[in-house]
Amino acid sequence: DVKVTQSSRYLVKRTGEKVFLECVQDMDHENMFWYRQDPGLGLRLIYFSYDVKMKEKGDIPEGYSVSREKKERFSLILESASTNQTSMYLCASSLRGAPADTGELFFGEGSRLTVL
Amino acid sequence: ILNVEQSPQSLHVQEGDSTNFTCSFPSSNFYALHWYRWETAKSPEALFVMTLNGDEKKKGRISATLNTKEGYSYLYIKGSQPEDSATYLCAFMGYNNNDMRFGAGTRLTVKP
Repeated sequence: DVKVTQSSRYLVKRTGEKVFLECVQDMDHENMFWYRQDPGLGLRLIYFSYDVKMKEKGDIPEGYSVSREKKERFSLILESASTNQTSMYLCASSLRGAPADTGELFFGEGSRLTVL
Repeated sequence: ILNVEQSPQSLHVQEGDSTNFTCSFPSSNFYALHWYRWETAKSPEALFVMTLNGDEKKKGRISATLNTKEGYSYLYIKGSQPEDSATYLCAFMGYNNNDMRFGAGTRLTVKP
C-alpha cells in the first residue's frame, strides 16, 4: 500500500521555537509538496520540490524553509514559529509534474501545529 | 493567483438524498481538474482526475462532469450515506504550472 507518512500528527510549540515537520514517501515519486490548510481557505502551497536538493517557492513561503536531501524525504522547517503559523500542514507527493502526468497527489494524514 | 471556487461551503443532507457540488476554475490554460475526498483524521484521497472537456467519470455512487470551456465541474453523489461525510476538494492544474490550485472545499455531512 502506497504511503506518505508525516512524522507528527499533533504538535504544540512556543513562539520563537524552531519546528521541523518531516515527510517520507515510499512510492519513489519525484515531486513532493508542502501545503497548509486553514478554515475557509483552500490548501495553499508553501514549497515544492521536483528532485533531490531542489526546491521551489509556492504561494506562501514566507517564514518557512525546506530540505530535500533524499528523494523520499521532504522536510518543512519553521525557523522561528509564530502564532499565525498555527495550522494543519499536509505533505503530498506525485509521480511527475504537468504536462507529462496528471499529477495526482498522494497525501499524508497531516500535522496539526499549534503555536502558543 | 488563479481562483478556484467551490460551492456550497457546507451541506447537510439526510441519508438517501442525492446531492451535488460545484467547482469553478479558470477556463484558460487548463490541463487537469482533480477531485479529492478528505475524511476527518485521514489523508485526502483522489476521487477523479479529469482532463477532457465533456468528460464524465463515475465511481460507485459518485460521479463527476467537466466543462473546460466554461470552467466548471460538478460532483454528484447519489443516495448519500453517512460514510460519504467528508470534505470534497477540487483542484485546478494549469498547463504551465507544476502545482495545483485548490478550492476551499465543500464540507458534506450526511445524517442517518
